[in-house]
Amino acid sequence: GAVVSQHPSWVICKSGTSVKIECRSLDFQATTMFWYRQFPKQSLMLMATSNEGSKATYEQGVEKDKFLINHASLTLSTLTVTSAHPEDSSFYICSAREERYNEQFFGPGTRLTVL
Amino acid sequence: KQEVTQIPAALSVPEGENLVLNCSFTDSAIYNLQWFRQDPGKGLTSLLLIQSSQREQTSGRLNASLDKSSGRSTLYIAASQPGDSATYLCAVTGGGNKLTFGTGTQLKVEL
Repeated sequence: GAVVSQHPSWVICKSGTSVKIECRSLDFQATTMFWYRQFPKQSLMLMATSNEGSKATYEQGVEKDKFLINHASLTLSTLTVTSAHPEDSSFYICSAREERYNEQFFGPGTRLTVL
Repeated sequence: KQEVTQIPAALSVPEGENLVLNCSFTDSAIYNLQWFRQDPGKGLTSLLLIQSSQREQTSGRLNASLDKSSGRSTLYIAASQPGDSATYLCAVTGGGNKLTFGTGTQLKVEL
């Protein structure tokens, strides 16, 4: 199946710093990628839809200036958590949509801990 | 707004037992439904994908059914093994190719 990678797999940062998370589709091109966050013992919540070459579409309640998304190429989307605070600590997962089969393939996730 | 619910929230069974996980969704206008497995602290592993026009899909010991009109899906696991212990998530694809995830069922298969 199609493979999606995320980097880093985990990161610890100080409050007030910014953190960038990369999502790559390794063996297919993805015009659309999605970013989710997951709190402990909860399900995944969609944060935003990332479209190659255009602005991301954010879900209601997600601050676009807080979570910057850049989909610069057909294989790479980045999520930058700006001025991170402890409440931003979460598990962030991306997915990439494989258009031929209209299926999303998920990355392994990034664990963010803000001290 | 699509809402996806999974029952039960947690399940503990002895090894070898057959089991059924349930998923229900409120809006039947979906493109497909997927079942995922998630191990603690890990990402998602796709198990089965059922297109809206299909009734079921099978992979090994797993069988998933879809009744779109009633907004229900079931995941049947035959002859459960300790390695099946994980959280199982169902998700439906709706407009904009957005996935809405269920609340999950935490499964523990005991020796």
